[in-house]
Amino acid sequence: EVQLVESGGGLVQPGRSLRLSCTASGFTFGDYAMSWVRQAPGKGLEWVGFIRSKAYGGTTEYAASVKGRFTISRDDSKSIAYLQMNSLKTEDTAVYYCTRDPGYSSSSHFDYWGQGTLVTVSS
Amino acid sequence: DIVMTQTPLSLSVTPGQPASISCKSSQSLLHSDGKTYLYWYLQKPGQSPQLLIYEVSNRFSGVPDRFSGSGSGTDFTLKISRVEAEDVGVYYCMQSIQLPLAFGQGTKLEIK
Repeated sequence: EVQLVESGGGLVQPGRSLRLSCTASGFTFGDYAMSWVRQAPGKGLEWVGFIRSKAYGGTTEYAASVKGRFTISRDDSKSIAYLQMNSLKTEDTAVYYCTRDPGYSSSSHFDYWGQGTLVTVSS
Repeated sequence: DIVMTQTPLSLSVTPGQPASISCKSSQSLLHSDGKTYLYWYLQKPGQSPQLLIYEVSNRFSGVPDRFSGSGSGTDFTLKISRVEAEDVGVYYCMQSIQLPLAFGQGTKLEIK
């Protein structure tokens, strides 16, 4: 059974940093791209970014709203994907979902989702 | 960037009756590889979103056959042949032919 478990969310002040983790199980983690999707309170879904599998370079792509502030990385030996969030803004407040992405050279879609972790950016 | 527009934004359906949601994209989602990169998700109350339909019309594993997707180019439709109580939630369409991936605003389905 595919499982994705996010952790690391919480309350953080504007301008500070936070790192989210996504621990995967039930599939060969290294074979898949991984994406992050967020949902502000009461709002819709927003794609944040993704990381390709090592077979496709392990490179990353980001939404314009987070580019330069957020960094996605992966540790295939531990089956963990990370979302490093720097220079956080109040508008980054959202539930952050880790997703499995069957895409190869580009992000495709999200076939499995974690339960989400809430990040609240507030002073 | 591609904009995804869903209609209606909400609908109320009697159990056993059909439901239909439209999704229009600002650009064609047909790729040169022959695939159309349009997906449907359902977010049930208090839950994470779940994949329903991939590449316009393919049901994901475990999705009941009362759900069907159709369309081409820029116009797409999700249909539920007979709505059940467990179908309540917000439905999102999404495109992935081009970055940034984009979702529709969501359509909230409730039961009468």
